[in-house]
Amino acid sequence: DAGVTQSPTHLIKTRGQQVTLRCSPKSGHDTVSWYQQALGQGPQFIFQYYEEEERQRGNFPDRFSGHQFPNYSSELNVNALLLGDSALYLCASSLLTGYGYTFGSGTRLTVV
Amino acid sequence: GQQLNQSPQSMFIQEGEDVSMNCTSSSIFNTWLWYKQDPGEGPVLLIALYKAGELTSNGRLTAQFGITRKDSFLNISASIPSDVGIYFCAGQLNTGNQFYFGTGTSLTVIP
Repeated sequence: DAGVTQSPTHLIKTRGQQVTLRCSPKSGHDTVSWYQQALGQGPQFIFQYYEEEERQRGNFPDRFSGHQFPNYSSELNVNALLLGDSALYLCASSLLTGYGYTFGSGTRLTVV
Repeated sequence: GQQLNQSPQSMFIQEGEDVSMNCTSSSIFNTWLWYKQDPGEGPVLLIALYKAGELTSNGRLTAQFGITRKDSFLNISASIPSDVGIYFCAGQLNTGNQFYFGTGTSLTVIP
């Protein structure tokens, strides 16, 4: 039973560019949450998707947007990249209640 | 946002020793999760707690959901080298809401 899969694993982008990160949830999970983890910090909540809609959003600018597809997979898009966007981006899938909150291995984004 | 205070920040212990760490909040949570994260990897769920006072074990790990619902504790007994990593607590205010994470406890086990 595959867990949460994220792609790509690593990415290097130039300041000002746009990036798309992808996440496939664990089988049976219908909710996807995205987190940003800066070096030496705990994960910070970006937003959560359920039934293809954004349910909650953390304190992140509109440059961060997302999408959830009918098969529950999700994308995170970041526009106009800044150096400070360099981080490990984590996707977590779960049931809507939060039960079974499982993380993927993350995408390491480096903005140069 | 919510602030979860996790302590200690780091621990250096001898193999075989027991470990205790905790997480406190100014808010009442209805779910507490404990994760372990290895460098460059995503957090791996260790224990989930859903009820105040709940005590749950997973092998050598034991976690408790504090009675006040504002704190949680994780104990590791008889530590081994593979316990090395960063341990995070995460709390959920209401069902279905986001999880807030602590700042992590870095554990080093000296053989």
